Amino acid sequence: AQKITQTQPGMFVQEKEAVTLDCTYDTSDPSYGLFWYKQPSSGEMIFLIYQGSYDQQNATEGRYSLNFQKARKSANLVISASQLGDSAMYFCAMILTGGGNKLTFGTGTQLKVEL
Amino acid sequence: DGGITQSPKYLFRKEGQNVTLSCEQNLNHDAMYWYRQDPGQGLRLIYYSQIVNDFQKGDIAEGYSVSREKKESFPLTVTSAQKNPTAFYLCASSPRTSGWGGSTDTQYFGPGTRLTVL
Repeated sequence: AQKITQTQPGMFVQEKEAVTLDCTYDTSDPSYGLFWYKQPSSGEMIFLIYQGSYDQQNATEGRYSLNFQKARKSANLVISASQLGDSAMYFCAMILTGGGNKLTFGTGTQLKVEL
Repeated sequence: DGGITQSPKYLFRKEGQNVTLSCEQNLNHDAMYWYRQDPGQGLRLIYYSQIVNDFQKGDIAEGYSVSREKKESFPLTVTSAQKNPTAFYLCASSPRTSGWGGSTDTQYFGPGTRLTVL
């Protein structure tokens, strides 16, 4: 069965610095999609970035980039130039082929950006 | 302004009552989903629908029911059979379900409903 692992329950970063949030996944399926979501204290889940298993290049969206290492089954999120508004919970998630489009989530990483 | 709306934001239920959570989207998305989030945890899938008048159970469907009579709407009923319904409920939609985890499978979420059983 597929599984997403986020080993960092909490992270601190200083404003304007870069931070990497770790995500590893486990699947034997060759086709899958990887997603990162941000959940502020308000509760809504905000889509940040997507990486397909067949994509040759790492995905980037503004200050967010995804460090995709397929052989290691890792999909780490890199946030550059952290801002106070980046303080939130971050979830890594995966969709598998034929999985009914179900998102399987990790347990999340709480990021706190400090002055 | 396109998006997903959920109502109410907060909902209180007495034990033994059924309650219905609303989810509406004007994104013209084919697929819709309901997830449950418990404190300190990720989301778990309750039900999903890929097309009008059709829906499938997710991982934790017991005690819940849904309908999909219109493309835009996917209400969730939490029945009295749900033993521990206090949680945060999130509705999502995606353009379509490719079946292989493509970019069009990206799910976009509503603001959520926080349900508390008194």
